[in-house]
Order: sequence, then C-alpha cells, then structure tokens
Amino acid sequence: TQLLEQSPQFLSIQEGENLTVYCNSSSVFSSLQWYRQEPGEGPVLLVTVVTGGEVKKLKRLTFQFGDARKDSSLHITAAQPGDTGLYLCAGMKDSSYKLIFGSGTRLLVRP
Amino acid sequence: NAGVTQTPKFQVLKTGQSMTLQCAQDMNHNSMYWYRQDPGMGLRLIYYSASEGTTDKGEVPNGYNVSRLNKREFSLRLESAAPSQTSVYFCASKLGGLAKNIQYFGAGTRLSVL
Repeated sequence: TQLLEQSPQFLSIQEGENLTVYCNSSSVFSSLQWYRQEPGEGPVLLVTVVTGGEVKKLKRLTFQFGDARKDSSLHITAAQPGDTGLYLCAGMKDSSYKLIFGSGTRLLVRP
Repeated sequence: NAGVTQTPKFQVLKTGQSMTLQCAQDMNHNSMYWYRQDPGMGLRLIYYSASEGTTDKGEVPNGYNVSRLNKREFSLRLESAAPSQTSVYFCASKLGGLAKNIQYFGAGTRLSVL
C-alpha cells in the first residue's frame, strides 16, 4: 500500500505548456519534500514545505503544501525540455528519521 | 566534493550468490540510508542508520543486512541473492536532526539477479 499517491504517473507535454503534479495521502506529514531524478542519477531535492498552506516558488516551479498537511502539488509554468525527469514527493512523519516516498511522476517535455 | 559515492555502479549476480554494496559520504553526515527503487514503486527504505553505531530496519529489510562501519561508510549486504532483489539501490546521507532534513543521494547501483 502506497502511503503517498502521486498523479499522474506519466505526463508527456509540449514545450511551453503548463502542468500540475499531485501528491496525496490520508496521513498527516510534518514536512514534505519534492525531488527530481534524471536517468542514471539519484534524486535531487528541489524544495521542502513545512507549514500547512505554504507556497514556495523556484523559478517556474510552484510548490504548495495542503492546509491539512496531507497533500501537495507541483505546478510547472511554460515547461521546457530540461524539466524532463522523474518527480518524487516524500513525506516525513513527526520525529521519524525516515522519509516516505511517493511512486513518482515521469514527465517528458517534447521540444 | 564527491558527496555520496556508491560502488559498484552495475552488478549481475546469479541466484544464491552474495555481495556487498558499498556507500561512503564525505560530508560528515550522521544519518545514512539504503533504498531500493523499482518501477512504479518510488523509493522504499531498506535499512537506515540514524547515527554511527546504530542501525534500524526500514520498510523492506528482508534478505538484507547492513553495517555502519564508521561515520563515513554504510554497506548493504545480500547474503543469498534472489531475482526479487533485482533493483536499483540508492544510498543517501543526512546531516541529522529535523532542522537539517536534506538527504543527499548517490548515483545508484543497478543490480540484476538472474
């Protein structure tokens, strides 16, 4: 059973389009992170959100943490081929040392 | 600035063989982790070491053992490899404590068990 569900699993869009990736759970997390992973590499942290309702922007990427701290979204504006990759959300519960990862969204941005 | 280094990068084993995956970090981090990544499953935690001298089971520990050799190194051992252990294995490290909650990942070890 996946504690963190990501949708969609796959997304293929044209350069310049906007997209949103969702990360949902029935559990509350103390913080939530988004990672991006390229083929042959390990995941690289993009952002950490901690407060319910928090919105963080990283250039064309906007991250939001749900008010109840159970869900999060990643919105990319004017996607570029360089955004292609696997996007993973990961949640931390309370004082655990452990991150729980979602199943990932594989994004392909076509030129 | 190597970060987290994993060896080997690729490995093919026959069922029943044993091997050890090596991981070393040069960032003076306290916590280290081993994950496996399978298609459509994200990353699942196998074992972790919150600090030097301690190890704990994660979500999928069966068939694996770990050793926190020192603060820098955390190895993962498969005693008798099975085809179900075919996966990509990632090691990660973290400074420690909730305030410094950034995990840094190695490039992975791709393991095939025939």
